[in-house]
Amino acid sequence: GAGVSQSPRYKVAKRGQDVALRCDPISGHVSLFWYQQALGQGPEFLTYFQNEAQLDKSGLPSDRFFAERPEGSVSTLKIQRTQQEDSAVYLCASSSLPGQGARYGYTFGSGTRLTVV
Amino acid sequence: AQTVTQSQPEMSVQEAETVTLSCTYDTSESDYYLFWYKQPPSRQMILVIRQEAYKQQNATENRFSVNFQKAAKSFSLKISDSQLGDAAMYFCAYRSPPEYRGSQGNLIFGKGTKLSVKP
Repeated sequence: GAGVSQSPRYKVAKRGQDVALRCDPISGHVSLFWYQQALGQGPEFLTYFQNEAQLDKSGLPSDRFFAERPEGSVSTLKIQRTQQEDSAVYLCASSSLPGQGARYGYTFGSGTRLTVV
Repeated sequence: AQTVTQSQPEMSVQEAETVTLSCTYDTSESDYYLFWYKQPPSRQMILVIRQEAYKQQNATENRFSVNFQKAAKSFSLKISDSQLGDAAMYFCAYRSPPEYRGSQGNLIFGKGTKLSVKP
């Protein structure tokens, strides 16, 4: 596609509910990042994929967070047993090749705003 | 660990005038990249300008320019001839090169500066 597409745009979940957030990167982009942006804060790194391989998950805040990219394209971020502190915007970003993001900047999606009530 | 600090939560500028947004960072690395991103209400992060640390020349993109002071670890953004469409959150971001200690090149962001443009 022409850009990074994320869905849903908004998600309201009851505390304890499981949610799945989808990221569809630009076709052919190898590198994919997930970020969490709390209200009034800058985005914080969650996890990184190179094709289907999850090479870095050091930013995932707990074992309730899980991400996958099974075919090296679409990625899903899953949050189990959501809690109020999970409320945030979840951003996805991609770049064509590792290292290209630094030269040309990553392409970000518009994010999913998750509200846990 | 690297950190990025934006000390101005909010800034305001008159249309057609110039404004400077501040950013400082802390790192022990000698080679890295710095970015300014714009985030409008649509939430999509849009790259404004980038700087490679090994380049002494300050980056410029049309009305946007940076003042990169490597020794002081400062990276400010200057917006000239401000336009109403410039109103947004602006984030400064740091990135290690991917080869450095196995870094995958994720971005480290500051907390942002909300820029308002007055007509």
